[in-house]
Amino acid sequence: GEDVEQSLFLSVREGDSSVINCTYTDSSSTYLYWYKQEPGAGLQLLTYIFSNMDMKQDQRLTVLLNKKDKHLSLRIADTQTGDSAIYFCAEGGGYQKVTFGIGTKLQVIP
Amino acid sequence: NAGVTQTPKFRVLKTGQSMTLLCAQDMNHEYMYWYRQDPGMGLRLIHYSVGEGTTAKGEVPDGYNVSRLKKQNFLLGLESAAPSQTSVYFCASSQASGGDQETQYFGPGTRLLVL
Repeated sequence: GEDVEQSLFLSVREGDSSVINCTYTDSSSTYLYWYKQEPGAGLQLLTYIFSNMDMKQDQRLTVLLNKKDKHLSLRIADTQTGDSAIYFCAEGGGYQKVTFGIGTKLQVIP
Repeated sequence: NAGVTQTPKFRVLKTGQSMTLLCAQDMNHEYMYWYRQDPGMGLRLIHYSVGEGTTAKGEVPDGYNVSRLKKQNFLLGLESAAPSQTSVYFCASSQASGGDQETQYFGPGTRLLVL
């Protein structure tokens, strides 16, 4: 079945870049997503990339997709303390096939 | 436009008690979902619905029932609560499947403690 894997924890200093990595198994995934969860809140969509793209940039966020290796990454430039949260990678291709990773907790040190 | 709302925000139950969690969305979305989030387990899909009057099982449906009598509401019921159902429950909705319409919008969550 589908599986999405992420590392559990990442710590960076304020102002540095953060890179959160994700691997997935379903090669038929049409879209790949990054969601952000702040403490005590639900998940919120950050960005997504269509599976035929290699890269997508949205302000401080850069998503890189290596479809051959089924590897997705999220780079946050100039990381701020407000970026501290849990980041979920997800793959989708149909309503019942959206699979979420376990989440990576990003800690930003002032 | 409130998005996705969940009621209650927090609840404590005794083993064997029943309760219903309410999810409401005002975005006219067709699809609605119930997830549970547990430490180290990520999000797991309990049940979902692709439209009014329809429901389907997700990854971990045992011990839960759902109903979608109105398009805007999706109810999650626990008939006989067990300590293993202690979790944070999230409701989500999406416009459709495929493409950016697949983007799920999440509620703020309901924290449930079963003693």
